[in-house]
Amino acid sequence: GAVVSQHPSRVICKSGTSVKIECRSLDFQATTMFWYRQFPKQSLMLMATSNEGSKATYEQGVEKDKFLINHASLTLSTLTVTSAHPEDSSFYICSASSSGAYNEQFFGPGTRLTVL
Amino acid sequence: AQKITQTQPGMFVQEKEAVTLDCTYDTSDPSYGLFWYKQPSSGEMIFLIYQGSYDQQNATEGRYSLNFQKARKSANLVISASQLGDSAMYFCAMREGRGSARQLTFGSGTQLTVLP
Repeated sequence: GAVVSQHPSRVICKSGTSVKIECRSLDFQATTMFWYRQFPKQSLMLMATSNEGSKATYEQGVEKDKFLINHASLTLSTLTVTSAHPEDSSFYICSASSSGAYNEQFFGPGTRLTVL
Repeated sequence: AQKITQTQPGMFVQEKEAVTLDCTYDTSDPSYGLFWYKQPSSGEMIFLIYQGSYDQQNATEGRYSLNFQKARKSANLVISASQLGDSAMYFCAMREGRGSARQLTFGSGTQLTVLP
């Protein structure tokens, strides 16, 4: 299947700092990528849909000024958590849709963010 | 209303036995797709199987099969001949409408434990 990478896999930062997470589709072009957040023992919650060359579409309740999404190319989307606080600590996962047999979403390995 | 419902927070199965993980869904869109993903403790999301709303036959992929009952709006995952490596969280997800750029909605997940 298609490969999606995420960097970094883990990050620990101090409260008030900003953290950037990269999501790359390695062997296919993705006009649309998705960003999810997953708290422990819970399901994936969609944060936003990232469209190449245009503004991201955020889900209700997700602060667009806090979670900045940039989709500068067909293979790269970034999520920046600005002025992070401990409540932002979570597992962040990106996905990208390919033109595979089922148009399934391929997920990155996730980024575990811990804000102290 | 919940779009995807997984009523089994946890399931246990003996190694080499079959197990069924339940999933019901709710949509008014005649075109939709149903997915199952496996999430081991490492956090990566692994695509298992897909069923399209217009598919006449139940999907199968190796030891995984999907028991699709459209009238009941259920899409249960059957894992045959369970292996210890099958122990993981399993998520049912739905994509409404056509096109790979549409978002997935996930159920709450079922934690499967395979006993030796």
